[in-house]
Amino acid sequence: GQQLNQSPQSMFIQEGEDVSMNCTSSSIFNTWLWYKQDPGEGPVLLIALYKAGELTSNGRLTAQFGITRKDSFLNISASIPSDVGIYFCAGQLRTYSGGGADGLTFGKGTHLIIQP
Amino acid sequence: DGGITQSPKYLFRKEGQNVTLSCEQNLNHDAMYWYRQDPGQGLRLIYYSQIVNDFQKGDIAEGYSVSREKKESFPLTVTSAQKNPTAFYLCASSMYSSGPYNEQFFGPGTRLTVL
Repeated sequence: GQQLNQSPQSMFIQEGEDVSMNCTSSSIFNTWLWYKQDPGEGPVLLIALYKAGELTSNGRLTAQFGITRKDSFLNISASIPSDVGIYFCAGQLRTYSGGGADGLTFGKGTHLIIQP
Repeated sequence: DGGITQSPKYLFRKEGQNVTLSCEQNLNHDAMYWYRQDPGQGLRLIYYSQIVNDFQKGDIAEGYSVSREKKESFPLTVTSAQKNPTAFYLCASSMYSSGPYNEQFFGPGTRLTVL
């Protein structure tokens, strides 16, 4: 099956610092999604990317869909305490014809810890 | 208030017993999904359904069963055949069953512990 490598596995940063994490895939995707998960909760969608090269922002978050369609990164600027959590990338390869509600392939997550 | 609900939040069962996890959505979404999450791991797809009365196996379907009798509901049964059922189970839904724009939204999860 498809493999997603997400790095780093964990990050210890100071409040106010910028954060960067990325995912690489062994195969191409048509869609990249970034989620944040708090302990004991379901993941919450942060950013969705649908086109190679696309750069999308959501407040202090910026994500890019790599040109090769095999990678994506997420940046968080000026981190604050509520940014703590686990960030997951997820990819999906879907076609226009035939469709199919395939599930997402997830990375193993980046655990963000912020020191005040 | 639209959303996805999963119940219960915590579930304990004895080894060898079947257990059914509930997932309901009022978003009018066509597609629904079940994922399993283990500590330190990403989510892995168990089953998904594009439409009522139809469902497909995901990557780790062995030991699980599902039904989709109503658009709003997609219950998951963890059977005694599942070798390691203790995990965090997440249900998700998306608006379309086909096409490129298919953002999945997740419920709050059910933590199943088999004693």
